[in-house]
Amino acid sequence: AQTVTQSQPEMSVQEAETVTLSCTYDTSESNYYLFWYKQPPSRQMILVIRQEAYKQQNATENRFSVNFQKAAKSFSLKISDSQLGDTAMYFCAFMKLPNAGKSTFGDGTTLTVKP
Amino acid sequence: NAGVMQNPRHLVRRRGQEARLRCSPMKGHSHVYWYRQLPEEGLKFMVYLQKENIIDESGMPKERFSAEFPKEGPSILRIQQVVRGDSAAYFCASSPPSVDTEAFFGQGTRLTVV
Repeated sequence: AQTVTQSQPEMSVQEAETVTLSCTYDTSESNYYLFWYKQPPSRQMILVIRQEAYKQQNATENRFSVNFQKAAKSFSLKISDSQLGDTAMYFCAFMKLPNAGKSTFGDGTTLTVKP
Repeated sequence: NAGVMQNPRHLVRRRGQEARLRCSPMKGHSHVYWYRQLPEEGLKFMVYLQKENIIDESGMPKERFSAEFPKEGPSILRIQQVVRGDSAAYFCASSPPSVDTEAFFGQGTRLTVV
């Protein structure tokens, strides 16, 4: 079974600064995806970024980027130029292929962006 | 293309009643997943369904919980004889037939058992 660990229950960052959220996972699989989801107070689960395990290049999506260390089973999320709208709970998730959509989630990190 | 639609958004049930949660997947999506989120926790997988078939129910409690995805109509998560511990947010996600893609989530149903 896969496990996903987010060791930072809460974090805060000043507006316009950079913050990194940590995630580690445990698996014996070689073919999988990793995700970061954002959950604002509205509760909607919003996909932030996706990383395929077979790709060595780290995924980026505008102000969001990941540091994927496959050997270390680490998948951190960096948010640059933090904005007030980034305030939310962030979840790291693991998805083993070919079980599309069946993911294992971490317990989340609550990020607060301060003005 | 409408997103994944869940209803109701909020549901209040008294202990012992039944709760029925509905999920309409995105157009063209034939796979549905149900997750439960307890307060201050991440989402926990419950069940994976395709039309008229339960593919993986490894996360479903053995009793009182059932799910279906009929040929026509939405997917239904049914909780019989609800207890206080069933209070949670229940999320539905859907994905297309291709297996190498993530699922798209609905806005969830918050169930409160009083």
